Amino acid sequence: DVKVTQSSRYLVKRTGEKVFLECVQDMDHENMFWYRQDPGLGLRLIYFSYDVKMKEKGDIPEGYSVSREKKERFSLILESASTNQTSMYLCASRGTYNEQFFGPGTRLTVL
Amino acid sequence: GQSLEQPSEVTAVEGAIVQINCTYQTSGFYGLSWYQQHDGGAPTFLSYNALDGLEETGRFSSFLSRSDSYGYLLLQELQMKDSASYFCAVRDQTGRRALTFGSGTRLQVQP
Repeated sequence: DVKVTQSSRYLVKRTGEKVFLECVQDMDHENMFWYRQDPGLGLRLIYFSYDVKMKEKGDIPEGYSVSREKKERFSLILESASTNQTSMYLCASRGTYNEQFFGPGTRLTVL
Repeated sequence: GQSLEQPSEVTAVEGAIVQINCTYQTSGFYGLSWYQQHDGGAPTFLSYNALDGLEETGRFSSFLSRSDSYGYLLLQELQMKDSASYFCAVRDQTGRRALTFGSGTRLQVQP
């Protein structure tokens, strides 16, 4: 089974802090994604990556950056956390048949 | 841009059949997917339709009509464990292999 893991299930940070969310997948998938999920808004794409060191902006990249130094690892960085970044963050990798495999999510609260 | 519309909530009783509809607008279409998400859990892949017609997987079926930009997820013999949110998603029009998700339908199964 594909496994996608995320570094934390719950995280509490203060406004202005730099926040790192890490995601690791074990199926050698090339494509990886970061979404945020907010009530009533579904999942919105923040950033994605085709391969190592390749990254593309999604629909809501402002305030975020990403890093993909190794194929299995895709990190989301909040350069200076703000309260409107309080959300559930979901990482996913894409399988052979277009299906996406999601990690368990990180619920981030910014105070 | 792309948009998907699905009902926000559906209620049904155990043993019944329920249909969750999804209409989409996109200038490029690569297929319609469905995901299930239980409260506090990650989205999990249910089905993918690239061509018109019905795909059946156990108690769940998914239908697509490309000419109508419409699809649905059909759940039969409902069980309490089917209470969850269901998201339809289309592959991004730019071919970037990301998904655009609907805002989700919350299904409540009652005894």
